[in-house]
Amino acid sequence: DTGVSQDPRHKITKRGQNVTFRCDPISEHNRLYWYRQTLGQGPEFLTYFQNEAQLEKSRLLSDRFSAERPKGSFSTLEIQRTEQGDSAMYLCASSLGGGRGEAFFGQGTRLTVV
Amino acid sequence: AQKVTQAQTEISVVEKEDVTLDCVYETRDTTYYLFWYKQPPSGELVFLIRRNSFDEQNEISGRYSWNFQKSTSSFNFTITASQVVDSAVYFCALSGIFWDNQGGKLIFGQGTELSVKP
Repeated sequence: DTGVSQDPRHKITKRGQNVTFRCDPISEHNRLYWYRQTLGQGPEFLTYFQNEAQLEKSRLLSDRFSAERPKGSFSTLEIQRTEQGDSAMYLCASSLGGGRGEAFFGQGTRLTVV
Repeated sequence: AQKVTQAQTEISVVEKEDVTLDCVYETRDTTYYLFWYKQPPSGELVFLIRRNSFDEQNEISGRYSWNFQKSTSSFNFTITASQVVDSAVYFCALSGIFWDNQGGKLIFGQGTELSVKP
């Protein structure tokens, strides 16, 4: 399978715990995006990378959130001290930069904070 | 500011009916992209179409067609002869141009849930 893959698919955690999600983009894609989707809403942009550089962060990304993309390959999104409001689907997408392609999405990681 | 509005929250049709999903957008950019994505119950967003702001020609792909009207800032999506497998949430999205460091992120509408009944 050469699509975008995310791990885990589901995560249940207790409030206050830290969680980390992983995204493996399509191999030749140099742009990688993270979005958050709550029930009944469209995805909301969180952050994106061009290769290993994080070029933009939404104000939705509080200090408890951090994303990395070492070596411009896979990416991780960490949420520290989770809160119930963090419960959502976290979607990763990748694309070719330079106006060459649309974004392809993974199946998402559904986070439930109890 | 950029914004996408999908006024129809839910639509229910009977198989073989035609259905149109509306999308209205706001942007100050002179060049931009518009998209439609499908989200079936499995959750993965599936790309359907990308249209750039230079090209106002309508597009048809099988049972799907798209009507882009810059004058009314609309990018509507029509499914002809709907089928049960078309049941999903459909999202319209807007993006700046990709070829600078600020472009590429998608601004999504709230989605329209389409239910096609047999």
